Amino acid sequence: SAVISQKPSRDICQRGTSLTIQCQVDSQVTMMFWYRQQPGQSLTLIATANQGSEATYESGFVIDKFPISRPNLTFSTLTVSNMSPEDSSIYLCSVNNGPEQFFGPGTRLTVL
Amino acid sequence: EDQVTQSPEALRLQEGESSSLNCSYTVSGLRGLFWYRQDPGKGPEFLFTLYSAGEEKEKERLKATLTKKESFLHITAPKPEDSATYLCAVEPALNDMRFGAGTRLTVKP
Repeated sequence: SAVISQKPSRDICQRGTSLTIQCQVDSQVTMMFWYRQQPGQSLTLIATANQGSEATYESGFVIDKFPISRPNLTFSTLTVSNMSPEDSSIYLCSVNNGPEQFFGPGTRLTVL
Repeated sequence: EDQVTQSPEALRLQEGESSSLNCSYTVSGLRGLFWYRQDPGKGPEFLFTLYSAGEEKEKERLKATLTKKESFLHITAPKPEDSATYLCAVEPALNDMRFGAGTRLTVKP
């Protein structure tokens, strides 16, 4: 299994500002995934982060809006830039361990 | 387009009242189908992976089954602690996970 922690657990931010979310895993993993879960909706993959290379973004998500860092095999950050109320969501970090996928507890972001 | 649809959106059961949740999918290929449980304020918790039609997996009061177009999560004699949102996801390609919107299950004592 994998234990994943995220910081912060929640935040309330003003429009136009940026927030960086941290994800820490208790073991070394090749790939880390960032998801968004909007209220009442399914999880949507934002990007996949590999250590040592640029993140791969899904359709509808761009690096300027969601820059990602992956400095080592246990840590990643996702920044939500120039926020608007539409960015209010839960952001989840995830890793694979064989056939199982493990998720962090999520960061609940509210943008005013 | 790859799609995952879960039904019902919400389900209320009495304790001990067995039922099933449905996950129907349309994908170009299927590497696996996954079931997760999500409690409020927490990330999804892995339950099962199914790989081929006819496969079944069980865990306590839960049993997941898979056909070529859908999966069912059967809940036998549920307890209040089974209350949660149950998410289905399919993996049409490596590391490409598509999630359904979930079924919110409430079990009343």
